[in-house]
This record gives sequence, structure tokens and C-alpha cells, in this order.
Amino acid sequence: EAGVVQSPRYKIIEKKQPVAFWCNPISGHNTLYWYRQNLGQGPELLIRYENEEAVDDSQLPKDRFSAERLKGVDSTLKIQPAELGDSAVYLCASSLSGTGANVLTFGAGSRLTVL
Amino acid sequence: GEDVEQSLFLSVREGDSSVINCTYTDSSSTYLYWYKQEPGAGLQLLTYIFSNMDMKQDQRLTVLLNKKDKHLSLRIADTQTGDSAIYFCADHSGGYQKVTFGTGTKLQVIP
Repeated sequence: EAGVVQSPRYKIIEKKQPVAFWCNPISGHNTLYWYRQNLGQGPELLIRYENEEAVDDSQLPKDRFSAERLKGVDSTLKIQPAELGDSAVYLCASSLSGTGANVLTFGAGSRLTVL
Repeated sequence: GEDVEQSLFLSVREGDSSVINCTYTDSSSTYLYWYKQEPGAGLQLLTYIFSNMDMKQDQRLTVLLNKKDKHLSLRIADTQTGDSAIYFCADHSGGYQKVTFGTGTKLQVIP
């Protein structure tokens, strides 16, 4: 099992440029999360998918951020245009959610630097 | 909304016990979790506790939960240099799958 795979691991762009991140979750996991982690802080939820449906996107800045999860498997997170304050690590996680504990498996993250 | 708070930093000597504390505000939390993050990596689950329990032990790890005070702690016995990392507590409210993370506690183990 490869775990949650994210790419790219690192991305450096100039402000106003677009950027996209990709996530391949654990096979069979129905729930997928995108978190943003600023330096020295905990992860903050951007969006949560149940299968292909976005069920919680209240913290996603919709003027510049978009996400999709095609066929309920892989997901992409896009920022267009990027701003300096978007520099952070973008973490993808997946889980097989049900009635018990919701254990998230995280990817290694995509570190974005906006110059 | 939910809020999860932790102290930022803890330093201990190798072989001593470490205690990392966490407070949360959501009274409907059903599960509480501890995750570990090493440099350049994602978060990895260490352990979790169901809200109707007050203690859970897993090898060197002991989790204590005071539901009345909404206080969670993680004790690491015989702390090793490999335990140096950032530790996050997280809560999970019943009825839906949102998991809210704390600010993280950086544990430094001095040889």
C-alpha cells in the first residue's frame, strides 16, 4: 500500500500565478480532506469530500481556490491567482469514515512558496 | 466553532516522562486523537480515545481524558530522542466527520 500520495512535494511560484496540487488517497477510502498548514500551526481544514461530494467547504476561499474529486478517488486543489499569504504546506488526508473513530491517513504534503 | 488549544513547546531529558496537554471546547466530541508530525512529513496517528473512557494505555503512551474539564493529555514514558516531533491533538464531533486539530506542541528530547 503506497499510502496517500501527493504531488508536487515542493512548488515555488510568483504571485498571481496559478498552481495545482494532486492527491491520490488510500484505495477504498471514501472521505478525502484538504488541509492547509501554516508554519508553526496546526492543519486547518479547507475542504472535505464524501465520495465525490464536497460536504464541507466553508473554509475554502472560493474567490481563488477550487477543488474537485473526480469519480470519488483522486483530487486536485487549485489556486488561481496565488497570493503571498498562500505560502503554506497543503496536506491531503483520507479516511474510511463510518460510525467509529475517524482515523485520517495523511500524505507528506505539498509545500508552496509564493514569491 | 470548535477550538483545540495546546502549549507550544516542551523540553524533556531522555529517559524522563513527557506530558503533553490539550484543551478543547466541543462538548459533543466523540473521539479524541493524538497525531505526531516529524519534519517534512505529514501527520501520523499515534492513538485515540473514545469519549466515554477516561484512560487508554498503549505501550509507552498513556492518554488521559477529563471530559468534564474538556482536557486531554498524552504521557510518553521513557522518552527517547526519536520522540522529538510535533504532537497534535484533534477532536471529532459525533454525527459528522470533521476533525479539528490543535496548534501543536513541539517536543524536544535532550540526550
